[in-house]
Amino acid sequence: EVKLVESGGGLVQPGGSLKLSCAASGFTFSCYTMSWVRQTPEKRLEWVAYIINGGGRIYYPDTVKGRFTISRDNAKNTLYLQMSSLKSEDTAMYYCARHTDWWFAYWGQGTLVTVSA
Amino acid sequence: QIVLTQSPALMSASPGEKVTMTCSASSSVSYMYWYQQKPRSSPKPWIYLTSNLASGVPARFSGSGSGTSYSLTISSMEAEDAATYYCQQWSSNPPTFGSGTKLEIK
Repeated sequence: EVKLVESGGGLVQPGGSLKLSCAASGFTFSCYTMSWVRQTPEKRLEWVAYIINGGGRIYYPDTVKGRFTISRDNAKNTLYLQMSSLKSEDTAMYYCARHTDWWFAYWGQGTLVTVSA
Repeated sequence: QIVLTQSPALMSASPGEKVTMTCSASSSVSYMYWYQQKPRSSPKPWIYLTSNLASGVPARFSGSGSGTSYSLTISSMEAEDAATYYCQQWSSNPPTFGSGTKLEIK
């Protein structure tokens, strides 16, 4: 059974940093492209970052480029999202997702990030 | 980026009723994907490559469309189908989602 478990969320001040983790199990992690997707308090879904299986290709939307860094440790079956210079609009539930082709075929349960003074 | 517009934003249906919701893209896309989300749960993959049902999705669901116009149909509404449905495209970067159609049971 594919399982994705996010952790690392919490309350952080504007301008602060936070690192999210996603522990994967039930599949060969190193073979799959992974993404982070967030859902705002208004329930809007937004893709945040993408990394291919070997880590050689990474993409971000303009909204987080230069502030967020996605990475993976295939030996530990873990995906990461380092977030810095956080803004109030980054407040959201952050989901780790495993790809099958160009869709998000499996999702974790999410970890909540709140950016507030 | 491609903007996906879902309509209606909110709808209700009686058990047994046929339901259709639409997703309109600002530019042509090759495929559409759909997710179902219930309160306090993460989105569930529902329909992929426009018309293929994800594992475990009941056969009363179907997807169709092409170009800029796509739809999700439920042939006969059941109480368990009450949820919010989101469409998603990745024909061009960045991948984008619609704002969702919330389906309620009457």
